[in-house]
Amino acid sequence: QKEVEQNSGPLSVPEGAIASLNCTYSDRGSQSFFWYRQYSGKSPELIMFIYSNGDKEDGRFTAQLNKASQYVSLLIRDSQPSDSATYLCAVTPPSNTGKLIFGQGTTLQVKP
Amino acid sequence: GAVVSQHPSWVICKSGTSVKIECRSLDFQATTMFWYRQFPKQSLMLMATSNEGSKATYEQGVEKDKFLINHASLTLSTLTVTSAHPEDSSFYICSSTGARGETQYFGPGTRLLVL
Repeated sequence: QKEVEQNSGPLSVPEGAIASLNCTYSDRGSQSFFWYRQYSGKSPELIMFIYSNGDKEDGRFTAQLNKASQYVSLLIRDSQPSDSATYLCAVTPPSNTGKLIFGQGTTLQVKP
Repeated sequence: GAVVSQHPSWVICKSGTSVKIECRSLDFQATTMFWYRQFPKQSLMLMATSNEGSKATYEQGVEKDKFLINHASLTLSTLTVTSAHPEDSSFYICSSTGARGETQYFGPGTRLLVL
C-alpha cells in the first residue's frame, strides 16, 4: 500500500461545477496535510494546508480532513478552465523531519 | 508564501559532464532545503534533505557521490549532478520551508537534458 494515494484521473468536470479531489494516507500518525497544484512543465505551488479535522475554506477551495478515516479532500467550487492541472496531496509523517510524502497526483480537466 | 529561486531554469549538457543547480531562498533564512526529481508524468521523488552547515541526508537509492549537495549558507543550497548521463535527464526541483518551518515552497525547477 502506498503511503499517500490519489486517483491519477483524469477527472473531467464542466466549467462552473464542483471538482472533488480525494487523497488517503496510510500512517495514522500523520500530522499535516497539504494540497499543491502543478501545471504542466511547472513546479508545484501551494494551494492550502490543513492540520485539524473538519473543513478549511480559502476562496473557491475547501480542504476537508478526516483523521479517523485517514482521508483528505480538496473541493474546488465554480471550476474554471485555468484550474486544469495536476493536484498533489502531501502529508508530513509522524517523524516530523520536515519531509513531505507526496501522492502521485490527480489530473483535473475543466472543460469550457 | 516564501520565495525560492533556482538557477539555471534549463540546461543541456553532454554525457559525462557535471552540472550545478543553485537553489536560493530570497526572503528568509532556510536551514533546511529539499531536492526533488520528477520524471514525465510521475510524481515528485525526494532525493535528499539539505541541512545548512552539515551533510545532506539522502533518500534510499539516491547515490550521494553522484548527486552532491552543498548547503554552505542559510540562503543557498546547490545540487551537482556529476558525470551526468542521459538517464539523469529530469526536472529537478528544490523546496524550502519558510519561517513557519513546515510548509514547503518550491522553486521554479531546473530542466536537465543530457545528450
